[in-house]
Amino acid sequence: EAQVTQNPRYLITVTGKKLTVTCSQNMNHEYMSWYRQDPGLGLRQIYYSMNVEVTDKGDVPEGYKVSRKEKRNFPLILESPSPNQTSLYFCASSLITGVETQYFGPGTRLLVL
Amino acid sequence: QKEVEQNSGPLSVPEGAIASLNCTYSDRGSQSFFWYRQYSGKSPELIMSIYSNGDKEDGRFTAQLNKASQYVSLLIRDSQPSDSATYLCAVKSGGSYIPTFGRGTSLIVHP
Repeated sequence: EAQVTQNPRYLITVTGKKLTVTCSQNMNHEYMSWYRQDPGLGLRQIYYSMNVEVTDKGDVPEGYKVSRKEKRNFPLILESPSPNQTSLYFCASSLITGVETQYFGPGTRLLVL
Repeated sequence: QKEVEQNSGPLSVPEGAIASLNCTYSDRGSQSFFWYRQYSGKSPELIMSIYSNGDKEDGRFTAQLNKASQYVSLLIRDSQPSDSATYLCAVKSGGSYIPTFGRGTSLIVHP
């Protein structure tokens, strides 16, 4: 089954404790992206990647890191989480043929205390 | 700055009615337009895509695109309570792989 998976789905942590949210897709998509979604603010892009070893900042990259060492994986790293990073996070992927839509993962709900 | 605007709602319609959701965008070079449905706490799922002016129908859903006026709309006929969700409009410019999302419109279909 074609899908984007994220882990963990729910996470409660404390300020400053490094964490990684994994994202994996099995559709051989070149493009992968991370979004956060907050009430009233919609989906905001954090980082995206056009292919292996190619990443770029989205609209709200501060406090986040990403890496793309393999085509299928695109982990999101919070090296020192803060309460303002409490949010719902989505990973997405797509082909880069221009009109392809994105497929979203199930989401990771993060609470930083 | 590319912008995609949607009325946040909520838009409340009775069961069986037509729900009309609207989206305007700022970039005249936009070429690909998408409507996603998102249930509370769930991930967005694509319901319609449209690339040329006019109407595109898929079951109870019709997407309408008017590039001259820079708007795209989604009509939901025979609305059902299960259609209650937030609807996100997304727009991609020609040559861009990165969509711009609107903030979404909340739709409530009441019995």
